[in-house]
Amino acid sequence: VQLVQSGAEVKRSGSSVRVSCKASGDTFNTYGFSWVRQASGQGLEWLGGIVPFFGAPEYAEKFRGRLTISADESSNTVFLDLTRLRSDDSADYYCTRAVGFCTGSTCHSDFYYGMDVWGQGTTVTVS
Amino acid sequence: QSALTQPASVSGSPGQSITISCTGTSSDIGAYDYVSWYQQHPGRVPTLLIYDVSSRPSGVSPRFSASKSGNTASLTLSGLQADDEAYYYCSSFTTLSTVLFGGGTRVTVL
Repeated sequence: VQLVQSGAEVKRSGSSVRVSCKASGDTFNTYGFSWVRQASGQGLEWLGGIVPFFGAPEYAEKFRGRLTISADESSNTVFLDLTRLRSDDSADYYCTRAVGFCTGSTCHSDFYYGMDVWGQGTTVTVS
Repeated sequence: QSALTQPASVSGSPGQSITISCTGTSSDIGAYDYVSWYQQHPGRVPTLLIYDVSSRPSGVSPRFSASKSGNTASLTLSGLQADDEAYYYCSSFTTLSTVLFGGGTRVTVL
């Protein structure tokens, strides 16, 4: 399985950004996905997660109100939309998929399970 | 929510064992067995070492082991090797239905 993210973005303060993450391979909608970011030289920060089958995302408190995570099952793609961008939003943004537990050919997970598949990262620069 | 607490750095000689702690609260580490550990080499994407407190994904060396007691989780690296030099992050599910990461620990092989 692979997660392929959209390309680097350069944005002005106050604008919005959308980052996409297309999953290939396995079943999509019963796996948990998260978005994690890392500013230059800093640690990992969880932004939010979703299980496409259930649809209702969860967000870190500091991003509520300006973050939307969504999924399109027809294209196996998860999206991150972040509004009112600030300079401290400049970071590498990673899409991750959680460890799946499989019964026969059916696998499922929740976003808070270990993140065993990571996208290549998308650099967002806010100036 | 504050990040989980990890030591900034830990070091050891080749062949030795080191342990990295990750301290949280009764609302995160102490509440669930959804603790994970990640390794990140500089300039690389993080990789999963441990999930569900002590489970290793296939392909991860048994030199990496982990446990939890109360509000503190621990990762042990046995038989330290040069390639173990990296940053290590813990994470935990919380009672607010969010995920918290630790601040990260830099491991140096002397």
